[in-house]
Amino acid sequence: GQQLNQSPQSMFIQEGEDVSMNCTSSSIFNTWLWYKQDPGEGPVLLIALYKAGELTSNGRLTAQFGITRKDSFLNISASIPSDVGIYFCAGPANFGNEKLTFGTGTRLTIIP
Amino acid sequence: GAVVSQHPSRVICKSGTSVKIECRSLDFQATTMFWYRQFPKQSLMLMATSNEGSKATYEQGVEKDKFLINHASLTLSTLTVTSAHPEDSSFYICSASQTSGVGDTQYFGPGTRLTVL
Repeated sequence: GQQLNQSPQSMFIQEGEDVSMNCTSSSIFNTWLWYKQDPGEGPVLLIALYKAGELTSNGRLTAQFGITRKDSFLNISASIPSDVGIYFCAGPANFGNEKLTFGTGTRLTIIP
Repeated sequence: GAVVSQHPSRVICKSGTSVKIECRSLDFQATTMFWYRQFPKQSLMLMATSNEGSKATYEQGVEKDKFLINHASLTLSTLTVTSAHPEDSSFYICSASQTSGVGDTQYFGPGTRLTVL
């Protein structure tokens, strides 16, 4: 099946720094979703992307749908303590399917 | 809006017993519900897809007789882990969507942590 690889696997940053992470696929995606999961909780949708090249913001978060349709990027500006968590990209498992495949995740830790 | 709840949030059981987990959409009708499993420090893996009033569709490698799914109404789906064993210990998360179309937003529940002793 399709695989979504996220990079980096983990990040340790200081409060106030900007964060960049990406997600790459072995095949083309038509939708990219970015979720955040807090410890012991379910994932919460942050941003949804539906068109190649699309750039969408949600507050301090900005995500882009890669032109090749095989990758997506998420940036967080001026990180704050509540940004700590695991960030997952996700997309439809197969073209035309409502099932989601989740990426491997990027764990963000903020150093005080 | 679009809140999904799960009950219980945590459960500890003895090996060999069965455990039922409920997933409810609180403020919308969910045509489709999904069940995921997440092992520590790993991603979410889809176990099965259930549509109200029909049999669930299981992903490859997921035993349907072990993980019984019932989607009896548009607001409730249950996952029963039968004859649970320690290797079934995991974080089980459900999600729900209002329709079964491509790209429809899935709203996730808070998860249920199952520990089998």
